[in-house]
Amino acid sequence: DSGVTQTPKHLITATGQRVTLRCSPRSGDLSVYWYQQSLDQGLQFLIQYYNGEERAKGNILERFSAQQFPDLHSELNLSSLELGDSALYFCASSNLGDTQYFGPGTRLTVL
Amino acid sequence: AQSVSQHNHHVILSEAASLELGCNYSYGGTVNLFWYVQYPGQHLQLLLKYFSGDPLVKGIKGFEAEFIKSKFSFNLRKPSVQWSDTAEYFCAVNAYGTASKLTFGTGTRLQVTL
Repeated sequence: DSGVTQTPKHLITATGQRVTLRCSPRSGDLSVYWYQQSLDQGLQFLIQYYNGEERAKGNILERFSAQQFPDLHSELNLSSLELGDSALYFCASSNLGDTQYFGPGTRLTVL
Repeated sequence: AQSVSQHNHHVILSEAASLELGCNYSYGGTVNLFWYVQYPGQHLQLLLKYFSGDPLVKGIKGFEAEFIKSKFSFNLRKPSVQWSDTAEYFCAVNAYGTASKLTFGTGTRLQVTL
């Protein structure tokens, strides 16, 4: 158990819908990262927050957005979902300059 | 831009065989290096990491990796694999001393047969 929690574990939804994935970092970690794992793209960095502020953006689609709240938990919002958005979404957390620890992931299936 | 190459996509070994998985990276600066393991249906777990110092690092479950700066490599080794090592192994890199994003290799699927 890494100490990073993610909910829900599984999410099944239809094309065009919007979903929210939630992540709680390890106690004391200020950085939260979101990654997408799919068969064709592998593990891709989406976005990073540090202490409530967006710090870095990767290959994140405009239909996707994220935020980090004052209690440091983070949410990833995915809208206008397409079949190709089906993937595992991982959250990781770290302290500055330290190792990233990953949560159990949310498996999103878009039908 | 950073990139990571894992040349072995699928490796099949018998129990007790020795393992070496290759990882090469490309980055114009000093890096942190990681190996993560993903057991079937589970999340990524840290096996070992290299930030600085001794280039031979030991991790959990008997794994070790050697950083060779001149070859931009960070190969993972284990002298004797077990059936329970069946998993996918990912090499990753980020910029040294930063909390920056990880760039992952495509992963190596290891299958250990009895």
